[in-house]
Amino acid sequence: AQRVTQPEKLLSVFKGAPVELKCNYSYSGSPELFWYVQYSRQRLQLLLRHISRESIKGFTADLNKGETSFHLKKPFAQEEDSAMYYCALSGANFGNEKLTFGTGTRLTIIP
Amino acid sequence: DTGVSQDPRHKITKRGQNVTFRCDPISEHNRLYWYRQTLGQGPEFLTYFQNEAQLEKSRLLSDRFSAERPKGSFSTLEIQRTEQGDSAMYLCASSLRGSNEQFFGPGTRLTVL
Repeated sequence: AQRVTQPEKLLSVFKGAPVELKCNYSYSGSPELFWYVQYSRQRLQLLLRHISRESIKGFTADLNKGETSFHLKKPFAQEEDSAMYYCALSGANFGNEKLTFGTGTRLTIIP
Repeated sequence: DTGVSQDPRHKITKRGQNVTFRCDPISEHNRLYWYRQTLGQGPEFLTYFQNEAQLEKSRLLSDRFSAERPKGSFSTLEIQRTEQGDSAMYLCASSLRGSNEQFFGPGTRLTVL
């Protein structure tokens, strides 16, 4: 069974402070990990995926297979980062691309 | 707008009625997914298509639910004899075969009274 755990439902951070949104997963095979973001009144959109190893809007996430974690980090929070963030997992193999989401973390940046 | 579109955006119905939702994927995407999201939860997978073939259905998809993608383009999700527990946001997503990047539509919010 595949599962994604986001332990924090709510997270408030001051503008300019570092941000870390936690994500842990369980999966028996080789996973692909994603972070999706939903800004107010907008649709769910991909923020980043572990295989691309990119930094998007200043966010990074490293897949730690030993700790089965994929935490999302940003060194200096900005007000426009306030949103709902979902960690998600899919299988890396063909035919197993459905996404399993965590329950999400609502990030609020305090001005 | 060339993104995924869904219709209607909101649907209010009485318990026991049937409802049908439509999803139009990004035109060149051959994979189409349906998810359901309830309050305080992340989206949960319901089913997905590759072209017109329905390849997987979740155990969440009871016999009252049926999905089709008759020509490999748009898809419909029908719920028969709706129950209050069916109230949720129904999300559609599409992707290209070989890519795990899914693009989501705005969702259809269903309220069953």
